[in-house]
Amino acid sequence: QSALTQPPSASGSPGQSVTISCTGASSDVGGYNFVSWYQQHPGKAPRLMIYEVTKRPSGVPDRFSGSKSGNTASLTVSGLQAEDEAKYFCSSYAGSNNFVVFGGGTKLTVL
Amino acid sequence: EVPLVESGGGLVKPGGSLRLSCAASGFTFSHAWMSWVRQAPGKGLEYVGHIKSKNDGGTTDYAAPVKGRFTISRDDSKNTLYLQMNSLKTDDTAVYYCSRNYRTYYFDYWGQGTLVAVSS
Repeated sequence: QSALTQPPSASGSPGQSVTISCTGASSDVGGYNFVSWYQQHPGKAPRLMIYEVTKRPSGVPDRFSGSKSGNTASLTVSGLQAEDEAKYFCSSYAGSNNFVVFGGGTKLTVL
Repeated sequence: EVPLVESGGGLVKPGGSLRLSCAASGFTFSHAWMSWVRQAPGKGLEYVGHIKSKNDGGTTDYAAPVKGRFTISRDDSKNTLYLQMNSLKTDDTAVYYCSRNYRTYYFDYWGQGTLVAVSS
């Protein structure tokens, strides 16, 4: 069982917006502004999409945005495109004992 | 160009050992904190451990399931990261990814992964 809880699936039509949640605890998501999100296409390596809750690495479209409220972080994908169909994992720093925890992943389907 | 390339995966019996390598390029490896993250078939990502840069002490830390069995090391002269895995269990079956991390806060470069299968 993953430390962070994500819905197993999400979907939306092209052009729509979808938000994926990631729920943790005060010891990880709620305690640090070090939530990150990763996109993984089948058979491929994960790709960093969001770091430090809201920041986007160079090359990531601004359709991807992140936020956090309390112990829950969220990834919003606006203007859905076919290539956004992938699995998305959240992650959070969890202190100097556990270091990093991941969510179980959310399969995003573009209808 | 993929900056991280893992190798060394394969099939091993329970109780056996395996050493994975990760060749880095395109960034200053010696300055980087590096990690191993694994993904069991059909499952989510799981942090395995990390090694700090030598400038930051070069120390290692591990997730509880692998502590005492796995060892992470680095050779900065060869731009290579290693994962020595001993006393392997069937639960260790996974794709193992090498990743550059920023102080364990996030992982910005990932390799393509190497499959380790532990089975009798």
